Amino acid sequence: AQSVTQLDSHVSVSEGTPVLLRCNYSSSYSPSLFWYVQHPNKGLQLLLKYTSAATLVKGINGFEAEFKKSETSFHLTKPSAHMSDAAEYFCVVSGRMEYGNKLVFGAGTILRVKS
Amino acid sequence: DVKVTQSSRYLVKRTGEKVFLECVQDMDHENMFWYRQDPGLGLRLIYFSYDVKMKEKGDIPEGYSVSREKKERFSLILESASTNQTSMYLCASTRRNQPQHFGDGTRLSIL
Repeated sequence: AQSVTQLDSHVSVSEGTPVLLRCNYSSSYSPSLFWYVQHPNKGLQLLLKYTSAATLVKGINGFEAEFKKSETSFHLTKPSAHMSDAAEYFCVVSGRMEYGNKLVFGAGTILRVKS
Repeated sequence: DVKVTQSSRYLVKRTGEKVFLECVQDMDHENMFWYRQDPGLGLRLIYFSYDVKMKEKGDIPEGYSVSREKKERFSLILESASTNQTSMYLCASTRRNQPQHFGDGTRLSIL
């Protein structure tokens, strides 16, 4: 079975400083991993995905994540936060179904960006 | 761009009512999903469908049913709404082994 733990429920950073959102996963086989972002009153938007190619994955809006198998981690980073990054972020692991993929979501991390 | 449209953004219903939440996608995706989102719990899968008239239970199907009569439309049904079903409901669609695309959600309040 797959599971995801997001280590921080809330993260607060100042505009222009780095962002680190932490995620650990558990999977019985080589996983596919995703980060999604949700802005207030909106659906989820895919930021990036890891599917067993390069371990450093670049996504949209300057975000990237590094897959570390030895640490079972998939932390999300951004060098410089922008006010528009304030949102809730979900780390997601994909489980296999016979048809398509079942997603298992972390509890979410709310990112606050201070001016 | 993929478009997943949920028919209502906000909905208020009374306990015991039968409630229908509708979702339509425009990309001919085989797979469609219904989730509920609650603070601190992330998203939890209620039901999914991998083809017309096919459905599978997710992690929390109790109190819900679904209908998929056409490929583009996936309906979530609360047979007899209860206050513990007050939540944000999100629909998603995808082709097999591709990332899911989400609608904007329906915020449902059961009074």
